[in-house]
Amino acid sequence: GENVEQHPSTLSVQEGDSAVIKCTYSDSASNYFPWYKQELGKRPQLIIDIRSNVGEKKDQRIAVTLNKTAKHFSLHITETQPEDSAVYFCAARRSGGSNYKLTFGKGTLLTVNP
Amino acid sequence: DGGITQSPKYLFRKEGQNVTLSCEQNLNHDAMYWYRQDPGQGLRLIYYSQIVNDFQKGDIAEGYSVSREKKESFPLTVTSAQKNPTAFYLCASSMANTEAFFGQGTRLTVV
Repeated sequence: GENVEQHPSTLSVQEGDSAVIKCTYSDSASNYFPWYKQELGKRPQLIIDIRSNVGEKKDQRIAVTLNKTAKHFSLHITETQPEDSAVYFCAARRSGGSNYKLTFGKGTLLTVNP
Repeated sequence: DGGITQSPKYLFRKEGQNVTLSCEQNLNHDAMYWYRQDPGQGLRLIYYSQIVNDFQKGDIAEGYSVSREKKESFPLTVTSAQKNPTAFYLCASSMANTEAFFGQGTRLTVV
């Protein structure tokens, strides 16, 4: 089955710096890669996703890159703010067909220091 | 709020008892999922269902059971066979090629 590895497990940055979180996946058939943000005591919420026919996607200060050959994808947050502090999860899934299984990484606790 | 509702928010269980966590969605999603969240362990998949009356084991299914009698509902039973049930449980739903939406979670504590 799919295995998703996520690094680092914790990340501390100064406000205004950039933060990068990296994930690798094992199933070459995976083609949908979402990123979720979970604030303390709350549910995970999607912040950005990418499909395998795209190499990069941006949404304001957030971007995701995908390297299918190497089977890894990364989340980039620029100009970090204290409200970006949260746990971030990457995930991978095959789209279409009959397999909806969504596998998550172990998460990265991001702390943005004012 | 989000179209997927879990209840209760907090649940206390005595050792040796079975308990059932509720999950209901009104998003008309085909797939539903149960995840367990422990500190430092991320989101681990317990069971998932892609269609009514069918479900598959995830990575940590032992000690848990589910049913999918209706498209809207996917209850999770934590049985007495689950050795360490204290955790935060998250239910989610999705279509085949879209994002998963999560419920607000149920925090289960064994007392």
